[in-house]
Amino acid sequence: DTEVTQTPKHLVMGMTNKKSLKCEQHMGHRAMYWYKQKAKKPPELMFVYSYEKLSINESVPSRFSPECPNSSLLNLHLHALQPEDSALYLCASSRSGTVPYEQYFGPGTRLTVT
Amino acid sequence: DQQVKQNSPSLSVQEGRISILNCDYTNSMFDYFLWYKKYPAEGPTFLISISSIKDKNEDGRFTVFLNKSAKHLSLHIVPSQPGDSAVYFCAASVGSNTGKLIFGQGTTLQVKP
Repeated sequence: DTEVTQTPKHLVMGMTNKKSLKCEQHMGHRAMYWYKQKAKKPPELMFVYSYEKLSINESVPSRFSPECPNSSLLNLHLHALQPEDSALYLCASSRSGTVPYEQYFGPGTRLTVT
Repeated sequence: DQQVKQNSPSLSVQEGRISILNCDYTNSMFDYFLWYKKYPAEGPTFLISISSIKDKNEDGRFTVFLNKSAKHLSLHIVPSQPGDSAVYFCAASVGSNTGKLIFGQGTTLQVKP
């Protein structure tokens, strides 16, 4: 099983809403990532969890709050977002967060902030 | 400052011919490079990678070449197939103690039947 799953596929939320994005992998990977991708741009790293601990935060605004409940699950909690936060949010996983193993991506959640 | 550059936004080739996608980087500390393919409405799919200690890696129709002195890598697809039509991203690993990848802007490949 080389699949990373993400829910929901699409999400529309208002600027005062609180919502969460979910990501799951069952490949035994010990590193998980959140990326943000705007149209016609490359993915931009937001957070890295290595062995369930936050190892990289790319100066992401606090309205994005990651959580790694266990090695298979990764959440991204959203609160008071801005319209410019509308984007495709991608989750990825790899065998380790400390060596450059290949990262496997999920299909993404298309987020629209109104 | 863009550390990983894909200077060709698009490339069109005929089915059966070779596709060559190029990528340049500026940071000599990059030690691992990867190519990803992305279809619309899907996440990127890993294709092939290469360590900085090698100059070539081959996997089926895909070959990646690395020229460290020129800080340049390329992806060769032979023979190209219509199903290869997608956006291709080059990515570089920032260091051996982090999982951080920096992606290029992407090249859209169109393979014509």
